[in-house]
Formats: sequence, C-alpha cells, structure tokens
Amino acid sequence: QVQLVQSGAEVKKPGASVKVSCKASGYVFSTFDINWVRQAPGHGPEWMGSMYPDSDLLDLSENFQDRLNMSTDSSMNTAYMELTSLTSDDTAVYYCTRGARRGSYCFDLWGQGSLVTVSS
Amino acid sequence: DIHLTQSPGSLSASTGDRLTITCRASDDIGISLNWYHQRPGRAPNLLIHSASSLLSGVPSRLSASGSGTDFSLTITNLQPDDFGTYFCQQSHSVPRTFGQGTTVAIK
Repeated sequence: QVQLVQSGAEVKKPGASVKVSCKASGYVFSTFDINWVRQAPGHGPEWMGSMYPDSDLLDLSENFQDRLNMSTDSSMNTAYMELTSLTSDDTAVYYCTRGARRGSYCFDLWGQGSLVTVSS
Repeated sequence: DIHLTQSPGSLSASTGDRLTITCRASDDIGISLNWYHQRPGRAPNLLIHSASSLLSGVPSRLSASGSGTDFSLTITNLQPDDFGTYFCQQSHSVPRTFGQGTTVAIK
C-alpha cells in the first residue's frame, strides 16, 4: 500500500524543538521529493519546504529559513522534519507530502498529520 | 510570493446542486495550479493537477479550468462526499502557496 505514516502528537514548551518522522511505503522512496506542509487551526495549509532524498537539493520557505531542518534516511524510507525555537504560533498539524511531477508539481500523497502543540 | 485568493470563502449547498469555486493568482502561473479537498480532521487529498487534469478515480462531476491568473473548480450534482474544504495551490514558483480555502457546507 502506497502511504506515508507519521509520528504521533507532541506537546512542547516555547523555545523547544520538535522532530517529526514520516515513513514511506509502497513506492521507491528515493525517486520523489518529500515536502512538509503545516496547517494551523482554522487556517489553510502552509508549505514549509521540500527535499530530494539522499541529496542536498532542497527548497525552503523564507518563513522557516533559520529554524527548519529536513533530512531523509533512505535505508529506512523515512524523512524527518525538525523545527527549532518553537512559539505558540507553531501550534499546528504538520504533514509530510510526496511531491510528484504530474504535469504541474503537486502533492499527490499525504501523511496522516502530526499535531504539534506549543504551550507553557 | 504568489498569493492565491479563493472565492467564496464558504457556501451552503444541497445535494444535487451545482457550484463553482474560483481561485485568482497574484501573478501569471500558466497552468501550474492544483486543487485539493479536505474533510475535517483529515489530510488534504489531491483532486486535480495542471489546472484541469482530474486524478484517476475522481468523479467526472468535478471539472476545472483556467490559465494565467484565473481558475475555477465546478462540481455538478453535489454529493455528500463533496462537502468539506477545497484549496487551490500553485506550483509555478517557490514558495508553493495555497489559497485560504472554500468551505462547502450542507444547507
């Protein structure tokens, strides 16, 4: 089954970091980008960044330039997203998505989401 | 950054209705426009890529068109599965931005 399965919910204090994992199955992990998208309560999705597994090729939203670390482990078919210096504004559901070039570049496979709550 | 504006922000409709959602881009994006559907508590689901290409399995009651800055998604014979929130998203340039969403509720 083609799917992305993410790690569970996290509660963090302001100033802390959070690391979310995303395990892929059912397709060749190394041939598709992994993107990270977050969605704050009641808001539309916000693209954070993307990377190509096992490469230095990545794109980052300027909104996260200094705080977002993305990585992949192809031996485990797993991608990771670490966000540092958390504030309450980072409370959101974080999704990993597969980037596919179907004519236009699109997000054709999504993880189930990982809720990150930042609260003192 | 390319800004996407969807309208309306929300609407109420009944099963069997026809509705159209529009998405306007702040700059020319060609046909680099995708549409997603999201149900509460679930991840978005890709419906349409390249402005008008339906993914396999998406019912033909859905159609989409547009290029440049103006795009639309039309649903005919609205069904219970169609309720939820629709987002447009551009892939012309980074950052890959989304519209704010259009919520379709049951009247």
